[in-house]
Amino acid sequence: NAGVMQNPRHLVRRRGQEARLRCSPMKGHSHVYWYRQLPEEGLKFMVYLQKENIIDESGMPKERFSAEFPKEGPSILRIQQVVRGDSAAYFCASSPFLLRARGDIQYFGAGTRLSVL
Amino acid sequence: EDKVVQSPLSLVVHEGDTVTLNCSYEVTNFRSLLWYKQEKKAPTFLFMLTSSGIEKKSGRLSSILDKKELFSILNITATQTGDSAIYLCAVPVANAGGTSYGKLTFGQGTILTVHP
Repeated sequence: NAGVMQNPRHLVRRRGQEARLRCSPMKGHSHVYWYRQLPEEGLKFMVYLQKENIIDESGMPKERFSAEFPKEGPSILRIQQVVRGDSAAYFCASSPFLLRARGDIQYFGAGTRLSVL
Repeated sequence: EDKVVQSPLSLVVHEGDTVTLNCSYEVTNFRSLLWYKQEKKAPTFLFMLTSSGIEKKSGRLSSILDKKELFSILNITATQTGDSAIYLCAVPVANAGGTSYGKLTFGQGTILTVHP
């Protein structure tokens, strides 16, 4: 059973370009989460999605950032018109649907390191 | 505001030492607390704790939760160089409507370095 797969592992963009980060959850997992880790900072929640639905986007910047988890295919985190401050590691996690606390465990991918020049 | 605080922020020990990592939390409607180990890549899950006083154990690692004093500790006995990593504590927080607990709030992490 493959783990959470993220690609690309490293992404370099110039200011103003778009960045697309992909995440395939573990087999059987229907919940996907995106986190950002800035240099010297901890992991910060961005968004929580289920298939075709955004459940909680309270941590996502209102502008330039969007996320989707379509019925078919990976989840995508999209950053438009990137700026230097977007340089960070972006981690995706997934979990199965389980009732109450049993569903709290999230399994993480290896992350995408975004560098904005 | 929901908060998770870890201490110490960094720790340097020698192989064979025992270490204790701390995590305190202030969250509304607490449900569980999670420990992860982060090396160069993905944070890997270690433990989930939901009940006070029940120790979770895996090899040389163990963890316990105190819901009255709002903290957890992670112990590592007989440390090895392979234990060098960042240890993260996280608590799921409910969304504004209280309908989901998908948001993990992380502490800053404890950087553990084990020298041979």
